[in-house]
Amino acid sequence: SQQGEEDPQALSIQEGENATMNCSYKTSINNLQWYRQNSGRGLVHLILIRSNEREKHSGRLRVTLDTSKKSSSLLITASRAADTASYFCATDNNAGNMLTFGGGTRLMVKP
Amino acid sequence: DSGVTQTPKHLITATGQRVTLRCSPRSGDLSVYWYQQSLDQGLQFLIQYYNGEERAKGNILERFSAQQFPDLHSELNLSSLELGDSALYFCASDLAGGGEQFFGPGTRLTVL
Repeated sequence: SQQGEEDPQALSIQEGENATMNCSYKTSINNLQWYRQNSGRGLVHLILIRSNEREKHSGRLRVTLDTSKKSSSLLITASRAADTASYFCATDNNAGNMLTFGGGTRLMVKP
Repeated sequence: DSGVTQTPKHLITATGQRVTLRCSPRSGDLSVYWYQQSLDQGLQFLIQYYNGEERAKGNILERFSAQQFPDLHSELNLSSLELGDSALYFCASDLAGGGEQFFGPGTRLTVL
């Protein structure tokens, strides 16, 4: 079963707008990661936030983590058509190995 | 390019058959993970190997097995295939676990 649930399942925006995706999870974690997947291709790691961190930035990406609410958000600023992809959050188990993925958010950025 | 390679890229086979998927981790990575991605189940962790030994098991069916060889490449064996086994199978690697995993391009398995 999936640990995380992404919200929304699909998001369509115009180029230049910001995109926000949310992820909720169920059990305690060591870290939470966000991955991107272009259609039918491999996953690409975007950013990792540890359980003792609240916010992290990487380029146009901003991730927040609220462990009290067991939730995280991924913000992509100034979106581009090339950002069109599916975005997944993933949490690790306490042993720090297996990743449990959410259902993903399909983002479409229209030029 | 993540540095993780998977072969074959596509595989089409019939129900009841057996197939082997192969993965070569990034140079220096000791851990290999296998995941299955299907429309109904999403992305699911199957199994992890670390330096040749099984370390963690997820939702892996008894018909499926895996191993990691001394050169650290890994194989996932799927037997008595069913229609529902059609999916993308990903391999990922990392040095020792607990951080970013590097995913291969996947093997798309179609069972007819």
